[in-house]
Amino acid sequence: AQSVTQPDIHITVSEGASLELRCNYSYGATPYLFWYVQSPGQGLQLLLKYFSGDTLVQGIKGFEAEFKRSQSSFNLRKPSVHWSDAAEYFCAVGGIGTASKLTFGTGTRLQVTL
Amino acid sequence: DADVTQTPRNRITKTGKRIMLECSQTKGHDRMYWYRQDPGLGLRLIYYSFDVKDINKGEISDGYSVSRQAQAKFSLSLESAIPNQTALYFCAAGRGRLGNEQFFGPGTRLTVL
Repeated sequence: AQSVTQPDIHITVSEGASLELRCNYSYGATPYLFWYVQSPGQGLQLLLKYFSGDTLVQGIKGFEAEFKRSQSSFNLRKPSVHWSDAAEYFCAVGGIGTASKLTFGTGTRLQVTL
Repeated sequence: DADVTQTPRNRITKTGKRIMLECSQTKGHDRMYWYRQDPGLGLRLIYYSFDVKDINKGEISDGYSVSRQAQAKFSLSLESAIPNQTALYFCAAGRGRLGNEQFFGPGTRLTVL
């Protein structure tokens, strides 16, 4: 069965500092990987996705993520965090044979201090 | 991106009442999903549908039912609401050839007293 682990429940960073949110997945074949962001009171917005090809993917709002098959990881990064990035971030995995089902991690809540 | 809408946005009800949450999308995606979100648990899949005639249970379908009235509409019902169904409910739509990418509605906050 597929699964996603986000080991950090809550992270606090200063505005302007760099950010890395961790995501580890379990999936028996080539995964499709996603990062979503949920701002307070909002639905989930897709930040970026990985299907194949270049393992470093660029997303919206200056985010990027790197797929590392050997580590079963898909960590999200941003070089300089803005106060508006405060939100909850979800990693998800899907793929061929999962009947289009996504499995989500439990989320990481990001707090940004000024 | 899909334009997914949900109604109502907020609902307070009492134990034992029947509740329907509605979802519609305007981008013609064939696949639709219902999730619930609870603090610390992330999103869990309740039901999903690949087309009007194809409905499938997710990991937490007990106590819920769904109806796919048309390609654009997917409703979630709680036949007899109970307090532990208090949660944030999300509808999503997507296409399989997009590699399972899903587009989410704004959510319905349901409180069962």
